[in-house]
Amino acid sequence: AQTVTQSQPEMSVQEAETVTLSCTYDTSESDYYLFWYKQPPSRQMILVIRQEAYKQQNATENRFSVNFQKAAKSFSLKISDSQLGDAAMYFCAERSNTDKLIFGTGTRLQVFP
Amino acid sequence: GAGVSQSPSNKVTEKGKDVELRCDPISGHTALYWYRQSLGQGLEFLIYFQGNSAPDKSGLPSDRFSAERTGGSVSTLTIQRTQQEDSAVYLCASSLTGGSGGYTFGSGTRLTVV
Repeated sequence: AQTVTQSQPEMSVQEAETVTLSCTYDTSESDYYLFWYKQPPSRQMILVIRQEAYKQQNATENRFSVNFQKAAKSFSLKISDSQLGDAAMYFCAERSNTDKLIFGTGTRLQVFP
Repeated sequence: GAGVSQSPSNKVTEKGKDVELRCDPISGHTALYWYRQSLGQGLEFLIYFQGNSAPDKSGLPSDRFSAERTGGSVSTLTIQRTQQEDSAVYLCASSLTGGSGGYTFGSGTRLTVV
């Protein structure tokens, strides 16, 4: 069975600093995809970044990057130059051949000026 | 449409009443998903529709919950005889099948059972 674990219920960061959100997962599939979603108070789930498991290179989207450690089944999100607008819930998720997206319990990120 | 549309955005109902929640997916997306998000919690998978295949209902919490998808497009999630523990945000998402992309989510329906 697929499981996704986020062990940090809350994190905080100073504006312009860097923060890393942790995520581990478990799957028996060899082909799968990993995602980070952002959920601001508006409730809209916004895709931040994705990673194909068969790619060794870590995905990067502007200030967002991941550290994908396949053997350790770890998929952390690094936010550089944090901005006030980055404050939100962040969910890690995995999608495998079943096409279902399985989510972790989320990390609430606070950004302080 | 341009995005996934859900209605109503908020619904307050009395315990024991039936409710229907609607989801309009992105045109051309063959897969449609319903999730439930209780206060401060992650997203709980409810049901998944893929084209004309039988839906994956493995996440529905009880037989009071059901969902339909008509014409491969609009979906309705129905909760019968609502209970207070059904209070949550119900999120709908759609996607292309088998792609590496994530889902596109709607803004959800906040259901409050009083």
